[in-house]
Amino acid sequence: QSVLTQPPSVSGAPEQRVTISCTGSNSNIGAGYDVHWYQQLPGTAPKLLIYGNNNRPSGVPDRFSGSQSGTSASLAISGLQADDEADYYCQSYDSSLSGFYVFGSGTKVTVL
Amino acid sequence: QVQLQESGPGLVKPSQTLSLTCTVSGGSISSGGHYWSWIRQHPGKGLEWIGYISHSGNTFYNPSLKSRVAISVDTSQNQFSLTLSSVTAADTAFYFCARDLVYYDSSGFYSHYFDYWGQGALVTVSS
Repeated sequence: QSVLTQPPSVSGAPEQRVTISCTGSNSNIGAGYDVHWYQQLPGTAPKLLIYGNNNRPSGVPDRFSGSQSGTSASLAISGLQADDEADYYCQSYDSSLSGFYVFGSGTKVTVL
Repeated sequence: QVQLQESGPGLVKPSQTLSLTCTVSGGSISSGGHYWSWIRQHPGKGLEWIGYISHSGNTFYNPSLKSRVAISVDTSQNQFSLTLSSVTAADTAFYFCARDLVYYDSSGFYSHYFDYWGQGALVTVSS
């Protein structure tokens, strides 16, 4: 069971906006540790999408944005496109059990 | 452009030791500001961080795997390696190596994220 909880799936029509939540606790996101997001297309390795809560690496479209508040974080995808169909994971640090890096449970985004 | 490539046996027998190597190209494993991590993904499941190593050999492991994991580095070959002992079928997974970028965040913590990944290697534990 993941320390960070995400909805198993979200869906939207092309051009719509979808959001993915990442719910943690006071030992991770709530403690102030930054949240990062990855996109995993089918059969490929994860790719960094957002780092430091809301920063995009070079080459990532500004349709992707991140935010963080309290014990949760969110990834928003606006102008949804067919090639956004993928699994998305949040990642942070958890200070329990001597500390370790944790990923969310993952969310499958389906473009209708 | 940094590239990482995992290599090693795709089949390991139960109770034996899993060994994988990650070869880094396009950048030096000795460069500052980076650690080097292993992450695994059980088929059809989510991601699990295994541990990291610095270029100087400092390691940090996931507490749930710490008793069975060792990560080492060979800077002369620009490689780092993973060993996981006493494997069972539950260790069957895709194993990814990744560059682990460290920075000092606004809350005063050292934060890590993974900016470059290998393509992944499937390791099956079966007799």
